[in-house]
Amino acid sequence: DVKVTQSSRYLVKRTGEKVFLECVQDMDHENMFWYRQDPGLGLRLIYFSYDVKMKEKGDIPEGYSVSREKKERFSLILESASTNQTSMYLCASGSPIINEKLFFGSGTQLSVL
Amino acid sequence: DQQVKQNSPSLSVQEGRISILNCDYTNSMFDYFLWYKKYPAEGPTFLISISSIKDKNEDGRFTVFLNKSAKHLSLHIVPSQPGDSAVYFCAPTNTGNQFYFGTGTSLTVIP
Repeated sequence: DVKVTQSSRYLVKRTGEKVFLECVQDMDHENMFWYRQDPGLGLRLIYFSYDVKMKEKGDIPEGYSVSREKKERFSLILESASTNQTSMYLCASGSPIINEKLFFGSGTQLSVL
Repeated sequence: DQQVKQNSPSLSVQEGRISILNCDYTNSMFDYFLWYKKYPAEGPTFLISISSIKDKNEDGRFTVFLNKSAKHLSLHIVPSQPGDSAVYFCAPTNTGNQFYFGTGTSLTVIP
């Protein structure tokens, strides 16, 4: 079974803190994604990566950065957390085969106070 | 601008009846469509998909219909079961590797 593991299920941080969300997948997938889920807005793509050291902006990259130093690990970084970044963060991975489905982690519920 | 819309944020259905979840999109380049199901505190899981060369795909109790001219797809669940209570997202793609998720519909199946 494919496993996508997010390091924390719940996280509480203060405004201005630097926050790291970690994601590890065990299927040797080239593609990895970070989404956030908010009520009424669905899943919105923050950043994605098709290869090690490669990153592409998604629809809402402002306030975020990412790091992909190893194929299995994709980190999302909030440089200076703000209250509007309180959300559910979902990591996903997938193979580069066209139309192949994504596999998601269980999510990290981040609260920024 | 939201390219994928699910206009019903929530839906309640009696157990055993049909659930119909709808999804509308604006990008005519989308050529493959997936549905994901999400339980609270879990990540979305793949449910069923359809290619743009088809207008129907069936998998057990789940059937997806695609109307390309109307840029509309729907997911039918028959018969609905309480375990189907979840949030459902449609997710079209036009590149094969990047998916555009809808806003989601929360389905409640009442026993």
